[in-house]
Amino acid sequence: AQSVTQPDIHITVSEGASLELRCNYSYGATPYLFWYVQSPGQGLQLLLKYFSGDTLVQGIKGFEAEFKRSQSSFNLRKPSVHWSDAAEYFCAVGPSYNTDKLIFGTGTRLQVFP
Amino acid sequence: KAGVTQTPRYLIKTRGQQVTLSCSPISGHRSVSWYQQTPGQGLQFLFEYFSETQRNKGNFPGRFSGRQFSNSRSEMNVSTLELGDSALYLCASSLVRTPTPETQYFGPGTRLLVL
Repeated sequence: AQSVTQPDIHITVSEGASLELRCNYSYGATPYLFWYVQSPGQGLQLLLKYFSGDTLVQGIKGFEAEFKRSQSSFNLRKPSVHWSDAAEYFCAVGPSYNTDKLIFGTGTRLQVFP
Repeated sequence: KAGVTQTPRYLIKTRGQQVTLSCSPISGHRSVSWYQQTPGQGLQFLFEYFSETQRNKGNFPGRFSGRQFSNSRSEMNVSTLELGDSALYLCASSLVRTPTPETQYFGPGTRLLVL
C-alpha cells in the first residue's frame, strides 16, 4: 500500500539556521510528490511539487526539495529559516492514475526561535 | 483568481444531528476532493468528485456523503453526528486536464465541533 512517512513530529530551529524536513514514501511506481504548509487555523498551501524531470525542485518562500528515488525520499530544505516559517509541514503523494487523491504524512511541526 | 472557498468556516452541532458543508472550487476547476483532519488521524481522504460523479472514495462510513453540482460546487453531508466527527474538513480543487494527478489547491476549511 502507498504510504508517506515524516519521521520528525516536531523540529525546533533558530531563525537564520538551515532546515531540512524529511519525507519518505512507499510506492511502486514513480510518485507524484507534494509539500504543503499549514499555518494555525488555516488550510493547506502548496509549497512545491515533483512530477518528473529535474529532481531538485524549487518552490515558494525559498523552499526546495530533492527527489531521491534510491532512498524513496523527498526532503524539504530551506537555507535560512524566517520566524514566519513556523507552521506545520505535510508531505503528500499522489499515487494513482485517474485520481487526484492525496496520501499525506503525519506532518512536522516547525518551531522557530528568534 | 479567487481561491477555494468553504462555508461555513465554523460550526457547532450536537450528537445525532446532521450537517452540510459547502465548497466552491477555483474557477475552471472541475474536480473537488474532501479531506478530514484530526489530531489523532491526521489528514484523511474522504471522497473526490469530477463532473458530478464520485471518482474515488476513502474509508469512511456511509454517514459521510457528498455531491457535486454542474457548476463544480460541492457539498458534503454528515448524518447522525458523533463526537469523533469533530474535525477540520478541507476541500481541494484541481483542474483535471489528464488522467495523471493534478495539483490540488485547498480551501481554508470548515471546523466542525460536535458536542
